[in-house]
Amino acid sequence: QQPVQSPQAVILREGEDAVINCSSSKALYSVHWYRQKHGEAPVFLMILLKGGEQKGHDKISASFNEKKQQSSLYLTASQLSYSGTYFCGTAESSARQLTFGSGTQLTVLP
Amino acid sequence: DTAVSQTPKYLVTQMGNDKSIKCEQNLGHDTMYWYKQDSKKFLKIMFSYNNKELIINETVPNRFSPKSPDKAHLNLHINSLELGDSAVYFCASSQGTSGILYEQYFGPGTRLTVT
Repeated sequence: QQPVQSPQAVILREGEDAVINCSSSKALYSVHWYRQKHGEAPVFLMILLKGGEQKGHDKISASFNEKKQQSSLYLTASQLSYSGTYFCGTAESSARQLTFGSGTQLTVLP
Repeated sequence: DTAVSQTPKYLVTQMGNDKSIKCEQNLGHDTMYWYKQDSKKFLKIMFSYNNKELIINETVPNRFSPKSPDKAHLNLHINSLELGDSAVYFCASSQGTSGILYEQYFGPGTRLTVT
């Protein structure tokens, strides 16, 4: 079942902060975050695993609430380059592949 | 230097034709994937191979047949193309045998248009 992302779209000014949420109805083992710019491939941002392990870029922060099966991606002091569509991909412990959400389109204006 | 490459980048063809998309990764990864991204940007896995062995085969029509000659290559052949096959197809790769534990590296995508 596809995870639900919110908001679907967000517009902000350079320097502002944004939070993108991802929730699932299933018990999750792993949450991935990717960013896709228009016409380009998705690019890895972060992995969060059950138990607290995280791997990702230093400038990206995210959380994983295992009890609520929710993850949030925090974008602080946004830059123009942050614009794009953000996808979360989730998996239960028994899964071998990710199921992606429908994406959150982030637009950063000067 | 390209980590995951795909050819062609664009593919325009008529209904009923057969076409192939090629993918290569130079990251030394064990697992490769094919994803389909539709016009609404929904990204859905189609196949996954680990060391040339098929490990994931989602509900994809039999017209789609992946082939992995070695662990660095994963090709996708599509028979009898239909209008609904129009989409962007991404190849990706990752370490290990499970796509849920390691980051995935995506190729640039192949935009397939069926007329």
